[in-house]
Amino acid sequence: AQKITQTQPGMFVQEKEAVTLDCTYDTSDQSYGLFWYKQPSSGEMIFLIYQGSYDEQNATEGRYSLNFQKARKSANLVISASQLGDSAMYFCAMLGAPSGYSTLTFGKGTMLLVSP
Amino acid sequence: SAVISQKPSRDICQRGTSLTIQCQVDSQVTMMFWYRQQPGQSLTLIATANQGSEATYESGFVIDKFPISRPNLTFSTLTVSNMSPEDSSIYLCSVWTSGDIDSTDTQYFGPGTRLTVL
Repeated sequence: AQKITQTQPGMFVQEKEAVTLDCTYDTSDQSYGLFWYKQPSSGEMIFLIYQGSYDEQNATEGRYSLNFQKARKSANLVISASQLGDSAMYFCAMLGAPSGYSTLTFGKGTMLLVSP
Repeated sequence: SAVISQKPSRDICQRGTSLTIQCQVDSQVTMMFWYRQQPGQSLTLIATANQGSEATYESGFVIDKFPISRPNLTFSTLTVSNMSPEDSSIYLCSVWTSGDIDSTDTQYFGPGTRLTVL
């Protein structure tokens, strides 16, 4: 079975600083994908970034980058130059092949608060 | 990417009643998914809805409690039946579609329906 672990229930960062949100995963699949979503207080789930298990380079998307360490089974999200609007819940999720291509397994989430 | 809308965005309901949530997608998709997010919790998959067949429910969820319709490739409904306060959650529908990033398939979510049961 797949498992996603987010060990930080909450994180604080000052505006304009960088922050790293941790995510470790456990899977026996050789092929899998890792996703990060942002959930503001409004409740919508916003897709941020994706990393495939065979991607050799770390994924980047604007201020978001994914620090993918396959041997350690970690896929940490790095947000550079934090903004007040980044305050939200962040979920790491994994997609695996044999256990169900079409569904994601989510971590418990990390609440990020950005202060002025 | 996909544009997904849900109705209602929020509702407050009495115990014992039922609520039907609608999900509309701006493109045809094979599978649509319904998730529940209880307060302070992560997302849990309720069921997968395929057009033209019965929905597939995850462990702990049953059709009598959460009947699902999928009349066409762009629309689905989830009904929360005989509600109790424990059903108070955000309900989200989602679809897989080609993302904007390297055409990788990505799961996009609707804005959610925030349900409170009194």
